[in-house]
Amino acid sequence: DQQVKQNSPSLSVQEGRISILNCDYTNSMFDYFLWYKKYPAEGPTFLISISSIKDKNEDGRFTVFLNKSAKHLSLHIVPSQPGDSAVYFCAASFYQAGTALIFGKGTTLSVSS
Amino acid sequence: GAVVSQHPSRVICKSGTSVKIECRSLDFQATTMFWYRQFPKQSLMLMATSNEGSKATYEQGVEKDKFLINHASLTLSTLTVTSAHPEDSSFYICGVLSGNTEAFFGQGTRLTVV
Repeated sequence: DQQVKQNSPSLSVQEGRISILNCDYTNSMFDYFLWYKKYPAEGPTFLISISSIKDKNEDGRFTVFLNKSAKHLSLHIVPSQPGDSAVYFCAASFYQAGTALIFGKGTTLSVSS
Repeated sequence: GAVVSQHPSRVICKSGTSVKIECRSLDFQATTMFWYRQFPKQSLMLMATSNEGSKATYEQGVEKDKFLINHASLTLSTLTVTSAHPEDSSFYICGVLSGNTEAFFGQGTRLTVV
């Protein structure tokens, strides 16, 4: 049973517009969430994270929103750029040492110019 | 973040042979490393958690005798796929745990078993 779900396998956005990538989780014990970007044949690259005690974290063009009651988080990219085209993975973990990340299936973002 | 180097990036081996994949933490002493596997269009599935100086903890369904993990130092963990079969063909990725929650990943290894 998937604990982290990314229900949209793909998303297409025009350059300059906002990209919104969604993620849902089922385990209410998760208390730390991360977004990774991945290109084919490469390892994931860390983008941004958020602790469960917050509802928003912003870093440049990337903002992550967390709605704990809905067990939902989203990544907003604005403005979107063609170089943002990649697979985006949502991950969750427990805030204790040595715990692995649980990943969603990923969403392929395509930004057209 | 931590710099993680994985080697080789691509390997092709014959069915029945063994393949070793190395994961090095270049600028960080990694007590804990993770090994993931990704099949095409699938998520990154955790295979095992590797702790320096002790036995790895394997996820359910991952054969520990087939996927041998050694984490002998704070900078190196190895994954050996023994008696590889075509169904073991996948993308293997190692990650280093930094602090309590953030993980940084190697560039991955594409294994093809023919």
